[in-house]
Amino acid sequence: DAKTTQPNSMESNEEEPVHLPCNHSTISGTDYIHWYRQLPSQGPEYVIHGLTSNVNNRMASLAIAEDRKSSTLILHRATLRDAAVYYCILRDGFSSNTGKLIFGQGTTLQVKP
Amino acid sequence: EAQVTQNPRYLITVTGKKLTVTCSQNMNHEYMSWYRQDPGLGLRQIYYSMNVEVTDKGDVPEGYKVSRKEKRNFPLILESPSPNQTSLYFCASSSLGAGSNIQYFGAGTRLSVL
Repeated sequence: DAKTTQPNSMESNEEEPVHLPCNHSTISGTDYIHWYRQLPSQGPEYVIHGLTSNVNNRMASLAIAEDRKSSTLILHRATLRDAAVYYCILRDGFSSNTGKLIFGQGTTLQVKP
Repeated sequence: EAQVTQNPRYLITVTGKKLTVTCSQNMNHEYMSWYRQDPGLGLRQIYYSMNVEVTDKGDVPEGYKVSRKEKRNFPLILESPSPNQTSLYFCASSSLGAGSNIQYFGAGTRLSVL
């Protein structure tokens, strides 16, 4: 599975946008880019995913570079509830034999009031 | 509401005393999986199941057993727990297929083996 690189931690102020970067220079053509987050004392939860085009949903936006070697998760207005560890994960679209999600260390987002 | 339910949420036990952590999902998902989460090691897959009566080892299966007799349930069994199995455990489920499938996770079971 291709690897992702994320900053260990980031800080944001409440009500401001947050851009969480992820590098995946060895991504293959069939890899989907997934983002999950883990709030304190909870299980991981799905945030968003995409393949080539930018994606929006009620939680966030995903901006994917044209060469797909990097992506950015955008939280448009951070709230205190968004403080969590954010994981950027690649999943092969055609060989999910184990279904395994490979969680790296993720980015710990702190949101200041 | 789509849910993955794990029980118990917290468990303290002693070395060698068999235990079972239950996992149930209400989304009719074919795929279910167990992960453990340890500081500095992230989440690692223990076992997974592609469907009823089909299970396979993940990255760290030693000391664990699973069964999949019904589609909705995927219990994790520790026949003889040891202190190195003290960890935070998560069950997950998803539909099968392409890499766009979303995995849903339970709230976790924190296990301490003394």
